[in-house]
Amino acid sequence: AQSVTQPDIHITVSEGASLELRCNYSYGATPYLFWYVQSPGQGLQLLLKYFSGDTLVQGIKGFEAEFKRSQSSFNLRKPSVHWSDAAEYFCAVGARVGSYIPTFGRGTSLIVHP
Amino acid sequence: EAQVTQNPRYLITVTGKKLTVTCSQNMNHEYMSWYRQDPGLGLRQIYYSMNVEVTDKGDVPEGYKVSRKEKRNFPLILESPSPNQTSLYFCASRRTGGYSNQPQHFGDGTRLSIL
Repeated sequence: AQSVTQPDIHITVSEGASLELRCNYSYGATPYLFWYVQSPGQGLQLLLKYFSGDTLVQGIKGFEAEFKRSQSSFNLRKPSVHWSDAAEYFCAVGARVGSYIPTFGRGTSLIVHP
Repeated sequence: EAQVTQNPRYLITVTGKKLTVTCSQNMNHEYMSWYRQDPGLGLRQIYYSMNVEVTDKGDVPEGYKVSRKEKRNFPLILESPSPNQTSLYFCASRRTGGYSNQPQHFGDGTRLSIL
C-alpha cells in the first residue's frame, strides 16, 4: 500500500518570498501524485498532478511541483507567495495497480505574513 | 457548473439523534467518497462507492452508513451520532472508479457538532 508524508505541519513565509512545501511518498513504483489546496471554509481544489513524462509540472495559481524519483518526493513550489495563498495544502498519492483509493497526507498549513 | 453539493453546511445536534448529510454531483461521475477531516489527522476516508449499488468501507467506517441508489447521490448516514463524530466532512467524486490517476472534485464541506 502507498503512503504519503508531509513533514511540515505549519510553514510561515512573508508575502513575496518563495515557497516550498515538502511531500514524500512510499510506493513500489512511480505513483500518481497530486497537490490540493483547501482555502478556509472550502473544499479541496486540485492544484496540479503528475502521471508521467516531464518531472516538472505546472499548475494553477502559479504553483509548480517537481517529481524526484530518487528522493521519492513531489515538492510544491511557488516563486513569490501572495497573501491569498494562505491555506491548507494536501499532497495525495494514487497507486497505478491494486488500490483505487488515493492516500492523502496530513496537510501543511501555510501562513503568509504581510 | 460542475460541482459537488453537500447539505447541510453546518449542523449542531445531540447524541443519538439520527442525521443524514446529503451529497450530490452533476458530473455523471461513477466514483464517490466521504472523508472526515480532523486537526492533525488530515483526511480519512469513511466510505466510497465505485458505482451505483457498489459501496465499500474506507479507513474509518465505524458509526457511519452510506447508500448509492442513484449515480448522482451519495448520502452519509449517522444512525446514532456520538461526540467523537464531531468533525468536518467532505464528499468527493471522480469520473471513474477504476483509475486512481483521476483527481477528485470536492464539496465545500459539512461541519458537524455532536453534543
